[in-house]
Amino acid sequence: EDQVTQSPEALRLQEGESSSLNCSYTVSGLRGLFWYRQDPGKGPEFLFTLYSAGEEKEKERLKATLTKKESFLHITAPKPEDSATYLCAVRGGTASKLTFGTGTRLQVTL
Amino acid sequence: DVKVTQSSRYLVKRTGEKVFLECVQDMDHENMFWYRQDPGLGLRLIYFSYDVKMKEKGDIPEGYSVSREKKERFSLILESASTNQTSMYLCASSLSGKGGYTFGSGTRLTVV
Repeated sequence: EDQVTQSPEALRLQEGESSSLNCSYTVSGLRGLFWYRQDPGKGPEFLFTLYSAGEEKEKERLKATLTKKESFLHITAPKPEDSATYLCAVRGGTASKLTFGTGTRLQVTL
Repeated sequence: DVKVTQSSRYLVKRTGEKVFLECVQDMDHENMFWYRQDPGLGLRLIYFSYDVKMKEKGDIPEGYSVSREKKERFSLILESASTNQTSMYLCASSLSGKGGYTFGSGTRLTVV
């Protein structure tokens, strides 16, 4: 059974204070690791897909990296508008469905 | 802009009512999913569908059913709503075996 564990559960940063969110996974035959951003009361919004160890993707202040056991979402010089819950998910084997972690709730203050 | 549209943002229903949540996607995706999201429990899969008229149980199907009569529409049915079904319901779609999901904006259901 695929499993995804995200840490920390919650993170509070000051504006400009860089940090990383962790997503550890176990999956039989990784066919994609996905990062989403979710604002309160809204559906998750797609950020990145990573397929193989060593792959990296960037978007504005966010960079996602992937190893064989975990993924990191690095946030460089965050701003208050980066405050959200960040979800990680994996697709393994022949499945079409994704397995989600419980998310990291990020708050960025002035 | 491609979309997954959920018919209601907020819904209040009484215990015992039959409740229909509708989801429509315009991306010609084969797969559609219904999740519920609760604090501390994350996203839990209720039902999914790989094709028209096909459905598969997810992790928590009890008390729910689904209908997919057309490729673009996937309905979630609460046969007899109960207070423990108060939750945020999220619909998503994807291409078969590829890429991530596109989510709808969610329906916040309250059962009183």
